[in-house]
Amino acid sequence: NAGVTQTPKFQVLKTGQSMTLQCAQDMNHEYMSWYRQDPGMGLRLIHYSVGAGITDQGEVPNGYNVSRSTTEDFPLRLLSAAPSQTSVYFCASSSSGFLGYTFGSGTRLTVV
Amino acid sequence: DQQVKQNSPSLSVQEGRISILNCDYTNSMFDYFLWYKKYPAEGPTFLISISSIKDKNEDGRFTVFLNKSAKHLSLHIVPSQPGDSAVYFCAASAFIGSGNDMRFGAGTRLTVKP
Repeated sequence: NAGVTQTPKFQVLKTGQSMTLQCAQDMNHEYMSWYRQDPGMGLRLIHYSVGAGITDQGEVPNGYNVSRSTTEDFPLRLLSAAPSQTSVYFCASSSSGFLGYTFGSGTRLTVV
Repeated sequence: DQQVKQNSPSLSVQEGRISILNCDYTNSMFDYFLWYKKYPAEGPTFLISISSIKDKNEDGRFTVFLNKSAKHLSLHIVPSQPGDSAVYFCAASAFIGSGNDMRFGAGTRLTVKP
């Protein structure tokens, strides 16, 4: 029972590079979200999806793209990495937007 | 504009005593509130939730209280145990458009001393 799987766990990028953070869940959850956690800021919603083919912006979407081609996968793309995107990124899923979300273990990203 | 606020960054209590973690919110559209617990190097884990139509929800040692008029909720842990030591995040959710928008507070680090 894997739950929510995020890869990679750690990543260092140079400014301007692009990359994709992977997220997969095996619980057949419709709702998936991406958050970033920064010191003193809690978790801030980047993008979310309520089902395959449907995505929407959250609180801090700039510099990130998402797509949801399948129920299981919800990748987060950094288009041109900036030092301000240094953070810990969490992917989460839920069977209902109002029930508790299951979080992955996070990806720690450093942009130099 | 932080819509969910946890004003105490840390809290220390003795084992066996009550832990009270507080959370305030500003957006009256929020209608569902959750508490998550987070250990280092792990993702947050859902702990307990409450709908805006209730003022109390209890699950074992954990009770969440909601005061809608004050836009305030609190998490009570009784009795506190050393294994409860973690960062606790308050979250609030509102159903908008095609989905829900969940906002988190900055977290409160709870330390339970043996």
